[in-house]
Amino acid sequence: DAKTTQPPSMDCAEGRAANLPCNHSTISGNEYVYWYRQIHSQGPQYIIHGLKNNETNEMASLIITEDRKSSTLILPHATLRDTAVYYCIVRPLNNDMRFGAGTRLTVKP
Amino acid sequence: GAVVSQHPSRVICKSGTSVKIECRSLDFQATTMFWYRQFPKKSLMLMATSNEGSKATYEQGVEKDKFLINHASLTLSTLTVTSAHPEDSSFYICSASIGSRETQYFGPGTRLLVL
Repeated sequence: DAKTTQPPSMDCAEGRAANLPCNHSTISGNEYVYWYRQIHSQGPQYIIHGLKNNETNEMASLIITEDRKSSTLILPHATLRDTAVYYCIVRPLNNDMRFGAGTRLTVKP
Repeated sequence: GAVVSQHPSRVICKSGTSVKIECRSLDFQATTMFWYRQFPKKSLMLMATSNEGSKATYEQGVEKDKFLINHASLTLSTLTVTSAHPEDSSFYICSASIGSRETQYFGPGTRLLVL
């Protein structure tokens, strides 16, 4: 019952920015946008989250549209180690984390 | 910071036996822990949520008598798969958060194979 839509797969050239889109047109006012990634056979890794404002940390930037119906995760300089499945999750702060199918990002040399 | 460990990382057992998986938060106190299951080429499915010192809340379709969850301390939760069958073979992943309102941090997962 994921509330997000993501493309199933994307490719990105090494060293380039990877822009991963996510649609969440039914997001509610108290729901945050979270991004995690899962490298093969590992547990998910937290990347970033936000409510309304754009956010940036050492891993990535999160751009949320003004109407909050979509967002983009930006990896500024993708490396081969960024190849993973990226999950965009909409979640109220006191609710469970439910995963959709995610986007399989492949970074190519 | 925010490191979660799981033990064992992989386990093979015979059908009918029970298997216990441990989840520990190493550098923070986790009032809430979550257990997920992931089948090959599928996404993570939430199995249950547990708060320290209270009974776990199971998702619909998850048998609480088969998947026993104990969250006895602020740094440890255990999942016991009782009378395991081959269809229980899966990747089991836990996560922990300081509170139910906070970011979840995930363990590395435990791969269970039931023969």
